[in-house]
Amino acid sequence: EVQLVESGGGLVQPGGSLRLSCAASGFTFSSHWMSWVRQAPGKGLEWVSSIKQDGNEQFYVDSVKGRFTISRDNARNSLCLQMNSLRAEDTAVYYCGKVNENTAYRHIDSWGRGTLVTVSS
Amino acid sequence: DIVVTQSPDSLAVSLGERATINCKSSQSVLYSSNNKNYLAWYQQKPGQPPTLLFYWASTRESGVPDRFSGSGSGTDFTLTISSLQAEDVAVYYCQQYYSTPQTFGQGTKVEIK
Repeated sequence: EVQLVESGGGLVQPGGSLRLSCAASGFTFSSHWMSWVRQAPGKGLEWVSSIKQDGNEQFYVDSVKGRFTISRDNARNSLCLQMNSLRAEDTAVYYCGKVNENTAYRHIDSWGRGTLVTVSS
Repeated sequence: DIVVTQSPDSLAVSLGERATINCKSSQSVLYSSNNKNYLAWYQQKPGQPPTLLFYWASTRESGVPDRFSGSGSGTDFTLTISSLQAEDVAVYYCQQYYSTPQTFGQGTKVEIK
């Protein structure tokens, strides 16, 4: 059974940093693109970033480019999102997602339960 | 960026009745080389993460009840619940994965009338 467990969320001041992690199990982590999707309180879903199996290719939504960095450790079956220069509009639940098959251009077939990031002074 | 727009934003349907949700993309998500529509549907129940319902616009994910169906091609897609059950109360999202950023519709909230 696929399991994705996010951690690292919390309260941070504007301009601060936070590092999210996602522990993956139940599938061959190194064979899949992985993604982060966020959901602001009471709002819809927003794709944030995706990373290739070997970590050598990443995509980001424009609003986080230059501030967020996605990375992975295939030896530890772990996905990370380093978030710097955080803004109030980054407040959201952040979900880790497993991309179906071995290309970026597929749906997310498994989701974690999410971790809440709150950016506020 | 491909803009994905759902309609309506919300709908209330009686138990056992049909619910229909529309999803329109600002450009075609049909990839000509494999004739597949790069569109998925997700269900999100209150307090829970999303779960996958359909991919390739109409391929039902394992375990999804057959009262749910997905249809459409190109830029226009539909999610239909043929006979609404109480457990179907949720927000439904479509998502295009044809290109990055992989955009979602704004969501459609389905309630019981």
